[in-house]
Amino acid sequence: EDQVTQSPEALRLQEGESSSLNCSYTVSGLRGLFWYRQDPGKGPEFLFTLYSAGEEKEKERLKATLTKKESFLHITAPKPEDSATYLCAVQAYTDTGRRALTFGSGTRLQVQP
Amino acid sequence: DSGVTQTPKHLITATGQRVTLRCSPRSGDLSVYWYQQSLDQGLQFLIQYYNGEERAKGNILERFSAQQFPDLHSELNLSSLELGDSALYFCASSAASALSGNTIYFGEGSWLTVV
Repeated sequence: EDQVTQSPEALRLQEGESSSLNCSYTVSGLRGLFWYRQDPGKGPEFLFTLYSAGEEKEKERLKATLTKKESFLHITAPKPEDSATYLCAVQAYTDTGRRALTFGSGTRLQVQP
Repeated sequence: DSGVTQTPKHLITATGQRVTLRCSPRSGDLSVYWYQQSLDQGLQFLIQYYNGEERAKGNILERFSAQQFPDLHSELNLSSLELGDSALYFCASSAASALSGNTIYFGEGSWLTVV
């Protein structure tokens, strides 16, 4: 069974204080690892997909990296508008056509001005 | 805007009742997914359809059912509702093949409150 564990559960940063969020996973065969941002009461907003160990992707102040066992979401010089819950999810290779994502419980990020 | 449309946005109903949630996927997407998000459980996969056919099942209760129609929109039917069914229900969609990308896009959700 695919499992995704995110840490920390919650993180409070000062504006400009860089940090990293962790996502560790176990999956039978990784098809892709996804990062989403979710604001309260809203749907998850797609950020990145990573496919293989060593891959990195960047978007504004966010950078995602992937190893064979975990992924990191690095936040550089965050701003208050980066406050949200960040969700990590894995998609596994299957022979059934299942493409659904298995999500972690998320990291609630609060950036204070 | 992800392009995935869900209705209704909010719904309040009584225990024992039945409701239907509707989803229109992004234009051209053949796969539709339903997820449930409650305060204490995070995002739980319910069911996946591909071009009208059920492709995978997750933690979907027997009281719940879904279908995908020829025009690719999908409906999630929840019956004999219980207080514990109160949650945000998300629909998501993805493209037909890996060549089109694996990204799954989510709608804004339907808030269901059972009283």
